[in-house]
Amino acid sequence: ELKVEQNPLFLSMQEGKNYTIYCNYSTTSDRLYWYRQDPGKSLESLFVLLSNGAVKQEGRLMASLDTKARLSTLHITAAVHDLSATYFCAIGGATNKLIFGTGTLLAVQP
Amino acid sequence: DAGVTQSPTHLIKTRGQQVTLRCSPKSGHDTVSWYQQALGQGPQFIFQYYEEEERQRGNFPDRFSGHQYPNYSSELNVNALLLGDSALYLCASSLGQGYQETQYFGPGTRLLVL
Repeated sequence: ELKVEQNPLFLSMQEGKNYTIYCNYSTTSDRLYWYRQDPGKSLESLFVLLSNGAVKQEGRLMASLDTKARLSTLHITAAVHDLSATYFCAIGGATNKLIFGTGTLLAVQP
Repeated sequence: DAGVTQSPTHLIKTRGQQVTLRCSPKSGHDTVSWYQQALGQGPQFIFQYYEEEERQRGNFPDRFSGHQYPNYSSELNVNALLLGDSALYLCASSLGQGYQETQYFGPGTRLLVL
């Protein structure tokens, strides 16, 4: 069965600290997406990672992909309160069907 | 450039009723996918429409059906509603079925079944 697992499920951080969210998946995929979801809102695309070793950065967020380990990471640098949200990773198949992880609820405390 | 739009935003139904949700894709997109997101869960793929045909289907019963119109807009129909159908229903659009295409999500329709 195709599975996408994230950890941790819940992350409480202090502002200014660094942390990493991990996304493991159970089958070969060369596409990995990261989305952000604010409470009661839809999904906002953050990153699309298309090849082994891909690294993308936007502001305080950096995502990477290791297809051999079937692992993606989302690294948060010097967290700020505005980053509080739920973060999902998802893998894509040949016809763009997305399989989502369980999500990581990030709460950044002052 | 209009993004993905969905209607209605909220809906309350009772068990056994039927519901229709609507989605207009982002301008220039021709593929529409539907997802169900239960509270506290990640979105689950329902099905995908391309060229007015259902191309892929997730693990959802036949009570869930859909349609795509020539203008690429789409509908999701759910018959014989159950309490467990209460969820946020998300529509996502993309261009073609190329595997490198990012899917853009609409604001969702929140369905509550009483």
